[in-house]
Amino acid sequence: KAGVTQTPRYLIKTRGQQVTLSCSPISGHRSVSWYQQTPGQGLQFLFEYFSETQRNKGNFPGRFSGRQFSNSRSEMNVSTLELGDSALYLCASRPDPGPARGAFFGQGTRLTVV
Amino acid sequence: DAKTTQPPSMDCAEGRAANLPCNHSTISGNEYVYWYRQIHSQGPQYIIHGLKNNETNEMASLIITEDRKSSTLILPHATLRDTAVYYCIVGNQGGKLIFGQGTELSVKP
Repeated sequence: KAGVTQTPRYLIKTRGQQVTLSCSPISGHRSVSWYQQTPGQGLQFLFEYFSETQRNKGNFPGRFSGRQFSNSRSEMNVSTLELGDSALYLCASRPDPGPARGAFFGQGTRLTVV
Repeated sequence: DAKTTQPPSMDCAEGRAANLPCNHSTISGNEYVYWYRQIHSQGPQYIIHGLKNNETNEMASLIITEDRKSSTLILPHATLRDTAVYYCIVGNQGGKLIFGQGTELSVKP
């Protein structure tokens, strides 16, 4: 079974631009979560989607948004990029949103804002 | 904020058992204990989780105290490839994981 696939793996953007990151979950997994990892703040939860609906949202500004499609693939978008948005963005998938499940992470997208 | 306390770093000799402690004194009755690890520059890897009972899988064992206020992750025969940051997380929403600083485990030959 293929793992969680995130594209692109690396991205360089300029301040003020917007960016869209993609995540394809493990086949059969319907819950997708997004995380941001920076050296200063560590791993922080962004949001979780299940059945195309946002179930949970972390403490990030409205510039960060996401969505999930009917095939469970998910995208996250960051608008008006700031230098501080430079980070590793990680996606994780689970079969369902119940608590008794481990999450399987992708390798992440490394975003650099210049 | 993370609800767990872990030592910032630990060393373990290759081939020996690595015992990683975690305190979660404010855990509530319906919260699970999850363990993940992250090898440098990779995405976190799920290891194991439990609610009340001890759990074992092919990677590790999880020992949860009877009062559930602490737990220990045991890697029975640590190898150099087990060098990583280990995160202990408690919660009841598996899709929303609140990561702390974790324990940096160094397995030495």
